[in-house]
Order: sequence, then C-alpha cells, then structure tokens
Amino acid sequence: NAGVTQTPKFRVLKTGQSMTLLCAQDMNHEYMYWYRQDPGMGLRLIHYSVGEGTTAKGEVPDGYNVSRLKKQNFLLGLESAAPSQTSVYFCASRRAGGTDTQYFGPGTRLTVL
Amino acid sequence: GDSVTQMEGPVTLSEEAFLTINCTYTATGYPSLFWYVQYPGEGLQLLLKATKADDKGSNKGFEATYRKETTSFHLEKGSVQVSDSAVYFCALSDINSGGSNYKLTFGKGTLLTVNP
Repeated sequence: NAGVTQTPKFRVLKTGQSMTLLCAQDMNHEYMYWYRQDPGMGLRLIHYSVGEGTTAKGEVPDGYNVSRLKKQNFLLGLESAAPSQTSVYFCASRRAGGTDTQYFGPGTRLTVL
Repeated sequence: GDSVTQMEGPVTLSEEAFLTINCTYTATGYPSLFWYVQYPGEGLQLLLKATKADDKGSNKGFEATYRKETTSFHLEKGSVQVSDSAVYFCALSDINSGGSNYKLTFGKGTLLTVNP
C-alpha cells in the first residue's frame, strides 16, 4: 500500500514550457486535491475533485488545469509555466463523507526559470 | 469565509521544554479542527483532530482541545524532543453552503526547532 505518490519529485522548467504532474493513490479515495506551498503562505488549494470525471477550482486556480480520468489519478497541468509558479506542489486524497483525514503525497518541487 | 490564524514562528526550544502553538479560527458553520505536521522534506501528515466542542485530540504526546467559546485549538506538548522539529499546521474543515465539508482551510504553519 503506497498511499499517495507524486511524479516527478523535482523539475526545472523554463518560462513558457509546459508540464504535467501526476498524483496517484491506491486507497480508493473519492476526493483528491492539488495544493501549492510557498514560504509564509501555508498551503493553498489549486484544484480539487470529488469524483472521477469531475473537477473544481480552488483558491488559486489560474494558470493550472487538472483532469481526473481515473479514480486513482489526478493530473495537474501547467500549459505555459511562469516564474510565479515556482513552488512545492502537494497532492492529497481522502474518503468521501464525514470529516475524514486528507492523506498527502511527498511533494514535487518545481522551479521555473 | 473560513480562516485559521496560528502563531507565527519560528519557535526554538530546548529538549524537554513545554510547547504551545496557538491556533484560532473563524468559521461560518461548526467545523472540525486538525493539526498536521510536516517533517523536513516530507508531505503533511495528520497529527490529531477534534470534531466537536470540548473534544481533545491527542497523539505522540501532543494534545489540543476544541474550545468553541474562544474559537481556539491550541497545540501543546509537555516535553518536546529533537525529533519533534517540524512545521505544524492548524486546519479546519467546515460544512459549506452546499452541505459538503471536503475542503480544508490551513493556517500558514509554525516552524518548530528543538535543540538538544
């Protein structure tokens, strides 16, 4: 049981390049989330999904797109990377219902030059 | 909207010292409250939680009590260890207008360093 995994762990992009971050969970969780963590800002929600095929915007969605084609995977895309998107990105998942715990992946450190 | 305010760090303590990290919240509903911990180079993991007023969450020697009257959820530990060095996040989960509570609102985090 690997929990929540993220690929890649590190990435350096040039301004304008595109990339996709992959999140996978093996806990059969309905809900999945993408956050970014910046110094002094805590965690901010980018996008989330409450089920396969559904996505919604979070607090800071601009410049990002997501897809949830399979229940276990949640992809975060950057179509044209900007230096302001330099951050550490975390994926999380949880079961539906109640106030269940979110389980986090190890993070992806992205630098945009 | 919902918000979480927690004590700004960094906090530096000697081993075996007493720890308090303050957390207060604003919520429109009746939230559940969480403390998450992030060890260096890792993702966040749940430390403890409380789902109703006067509940006490506890884990690994850490405790926090849900105080509705003061809208607080302060984290405490009687004797910290070097291995407790990490960033601590207070968070809440509230029922929104649609009847769902699937989102967490986080504080900005408090860096704790414990010296031997």
